[in-house]
Amino acid sequence: DTGVSQNPRHKITKRGQNVTFRCDPISEHNRLYWYRQTLGQGPEFLTYFQNEAQLEKSRLLSDRFSAERPKGSFSTLEIQRTEQGDSAMYLCASSTHEDTQYFGPGTRLTVL
Amino acid sequence: AQSVTQLDSQVPVFEEAPVELRCNYSSSVSVYLFWYVQYPNQGLQLLLKYLSGSTLVKGINGFEAEFNKSQTSFHLRKPSVHISDTAEYFCAVSSTGTYKYIFGTGTRLKVLA
Repeated sequence: DTGVSQNPRHKITKRGQNVTFRCDPISEHNRLYWYRQTLGQGPEFLTYFQNEAQLEKSRLLSDRFSAERPKGSFSTLEIQRTEQGDSAMYLCASSTHEDTQYFGPGTRLTVL
Repeated sequence: AQSVTQLDSQVPVFEEAPVELRCNYSSSVSVYLFWYVQYPNQGLQLLLKYLSGSTLVKGINGFEAEFNKSQTSFHLRKPSVHISDTAEYFCAVSSTGTYKYIFGTGTRLKVLA
């Protein structure tokens, strides 16, 4: 069990570009979550998957954001036409039940 | 709706002194409560959790927390801190039937030599 992994760890992009992040959950965890954390704040929920089904999307997740979890394993989070306000740490977590989420190291996005 | 309040944004404390980080929550249903620690440029590591049962919960690195339902609190304590405890600490709440955590804004613990 190697824990939740996220790639890349850091991403610097120019405004207007598209970016994609990947999350590999702990194997056999059927639940996967994405959160966003801005400087000085706690993580905020973005979206949740149970297996391959995306069951909830926060209103924070504008139509420029899309997340997928094909085959119920890894997940990707794509941001289209990035804006400076998208700069944040994007955290992925996984769990087997509704309690106790295990977090990855995060992907820090900087939009110039 | 659920919410979490961490009243102290920063807590400076000398090494080997005790510390308490405060967390209050609001919820109309039964809750699960968590404390996570975050070191710079890293993800969140679970310190301890309250799901049910004993209200005094012990976690890793010598931390403990007490669930107080009447005061809707879940304060984190450590009797003697080390320099290595310097980090950001987040309290979070969820509940049965939900799946997302609601986090507080965090408390930055700075341990001074």
